[in-house]
Amino acid sequence: AQSVTQLGSHVSVSEGALVLLRCNYSSSVPPYLFWYVQYPNQGLQLLLKYTTGATLVKGINGFEAEFKKSETSFHLTKPSAHMSDAAEYFCAVSDSGGGADGLTFGKGTHLIIQP
Amino acid sequence: DAGVIQSPRHEVTEMGQEVTLRCKPISGHDYLFWYRQTMMRGLELLIYFNNNVPIDDSGMPEDRFSAKMPNASFSTLKIQPSEPRDSAVYFCASSLSGGSNQPQHFGDGTRLSIL
Repeated sequence: AQSVTQLGSHVSVSEGALVLLRCNYSSSVPPYLFWYVQYPNQGLQLLLKYTTGATLVKGINGFEAEFKKSETSFHLTKPSAHMSDAAEYFCAVSDSGGGADGLTFGKGTHLIIQP
Repeated sequence: DAGVIQSPRHEVTEMGQEVTLRCKPISGHDYLFWYRQTMMRGLELLIYFNNNVPIDDSGMPEDRFSAKMPNASFSTLKIQPSEPRDSAVYFCASSLSGGSNQPQHFGDGTRLSIL
């Protein structure tokens, strides 16, 4: 069974400051990992994904995440926050075992950008 | 390109009534997923289809819930009879075949309120 833990249901940063959203996972097989963003009244949009290969993954809107197997983590970062980054962010894991299982999501982190 | 299309965007109905949510996946996508999002439980996978065949419905909460995919371009999620605790945002997502490393593309959701 897989699970995802996102530390902090709300994270507040100042505009221009570093954004760090934490995600830890558990999986019995090598995981595929995803970050999605959800703006109000919209569906989820893919930010980035890790499947295999390079552990530092770059996504859209200046976000990146690093897969650290030893720490079972996949934290999301952005060097400089922008007001438009305010949204809900979800970390998700799926099974690399070959089946197309649905994603297991974390509870989400609401990112607040202070002007 | 058209994304995943869900209808209606909002639905308000009285308990006991039948509710039907609709989804049109992205053309060419072989997998279709139904999720439910609530404040208490976050995002939950209800059921998913591969090539129009239901693969895993273990997330469907009760027999009151049913889902069908009569063809590759259309799926429905039905609740009969509806109850207030079914109030949530329901998302449909689709993805390409090729295993669980394929990102899922989400619709904008249906916000369901059962009075």
